[in-house]
Amino acid sequence: AQKVTQAQTEISVVEKEDVTLDCVYETRDTTYYLFWYKQPPSGELVFLIRRNSFDEQNEISGRYSWNFQKSTSSFNFTITASQVVDSAVYFCARTMYSGGGADGLTFGKGTHLIIQP
Amino acid sequence: AAGVIQSPRHLIKEKRETATLKCYPIPRHDTVYWYQQGPGQDPQFLISFYEKMQSDKGSIPDRFSAQQFSDYHSELNMSSLELGDSALYFCASSYRDEQYFGPGTRLTVT
Repeated sequence: AQKVTQAQTEISVVEKEDVTLDCVYETRDTTYYLFWYKQPPSGELVFLIRRNSFDEQNEISGRYSWNFQKSTSSFNFTITASQVVDSAVYFCARTMYSGGGADGLTFGKGTHLIIQP
Repeated sequence: AAGVIQSPRHLIKEKRETATLKCYPIPRHDTVYWYQQGPGQDPQFLISFYEKMQSDKGSIPDRFSAQQFSDYHSELNMSSLELGDSALYFCASSYRDEQYFGPGTRLTVT
């Protein structure tokens, strides 16, 4: 399977700081999809974003932004002005193959983000 | 908005018993996925169904089987349970690739 690497196992910042979570992925496909999910202590997996490999536009949603760099196979996630409620494990994932149909996801190991008040 | 429904939310079984987990996808979603997440681990893809046909297979043990029914709900059947099967089992559904996850079923095998 093509790997997803989240090198930061844990990040701790003080509230209101900006924080970037890194994600690097392997790919042998021209077409694929990338995702970020949030897993708070309650355990559910919350969908944050999906990006397809043909769309390299960066995206901003409120305090969240994503930087997709196909040349470096990276899909980084930045939280601006972090809040305590952002504390969670964040997973980066990609479709196992080219996406479409019912392609399962391969996840990174996750980054545990701790926002201290 | 409607979400993915999973039942039961918690299940305790003994070794060698059988368990059945159910998943009800978001209305109009035609694809269902099953994932297993061990403690402190990332979710691992088990199996998926598209329009009631098995589509993709991941690291699903032979002791596990699944199907998707005519109303699009899905069931994961797990037999000869082992201690290592203790995990959070997620179902996800999608329409065109955006996978939305249910709250999970926490299975404990004693």
